[in-house]
Amino acid sequence: GAVVSQHPSRVICKSGTSVKIECRSLDFQATTMFWYRQFPKKSLMLMATSNEGSKATYEQGVEKDKFLINHASLTLSTLTVTSAHPEDSSFYICSARDLPGLAGGQYFGPGTRLLVL
Amino acid sequence: GEDVEQSLFLSVREGDSSVINCTYTDSSSTYLYWYKQEPGAGLQLLTYIFSNMDMKQDQRLTVLLNKKDKHLSLRIADTQTGDSAIYFCAESPSSGYSTLTFGKGTMLLVSP
Repeated sequence: GAVVSQHPSRVICKSGTSVKIECRSLDFQATTMFWYRQFPKKSLMLMATSNEGSKATYEQGVEKDKFLINHASLTLSTLTVTSAHPEDSSFYICSARDLPGLAGGQYFGPGTRLLVL
Repeated sequence: GEDVEQSLFLSVREGDSSVINCTYTDSSSTYLYWYKQEPGAGLQLLTYIFSNMDMKQDQRLTVLLNKKDKHLSLRIADTQTGDSAIYFCAESPSSGYSTLTFGKGTMLLVSP
């Protein structure tokens, strides 16, 4: 089956630093990748949709200068949390889709837990 | 906007059946999904159903859809301790490049 990996799985950083999270589709080419954020006891919140070779589409309320997304290749998308603050601490999950079609054909990564001190 | 609601917690004994319920508000929902999230992990697609179907069964999983009431349920037969996880209901208005709207998730706790 399709596998999506994320790196790192867990990161702790100091306030003011930037953190980069990678999302890779291991055995398929992902034309579209999604970045979600999950708060404790809350649902997933879609942050942005990333299409290879074009600018990401951000959801309302998500700061694009704060959460930089780069989808430079068909197997890699990165999310950079710039100048991270404690309120950015969360569980970030990416997903990838290979072909247009059933929206449920999103394959999810294992998530990255970010803790900003 | 779209809204998906789920009960937050369900506790069952091993061997019993579990039923997790979900309601949604978007009448244009075309695809409805159930995802499973184990502790510290990402989401795993369990099953999905098209809006023109009433029921779908896949081994121990049965999905029932009442489109009139916008109610979706997931039944897990012979629930095992390994089924303990958070189950998310999600909907999408169409295929293609549509995104998903998730419920808050139902935590299922299976006790021996």
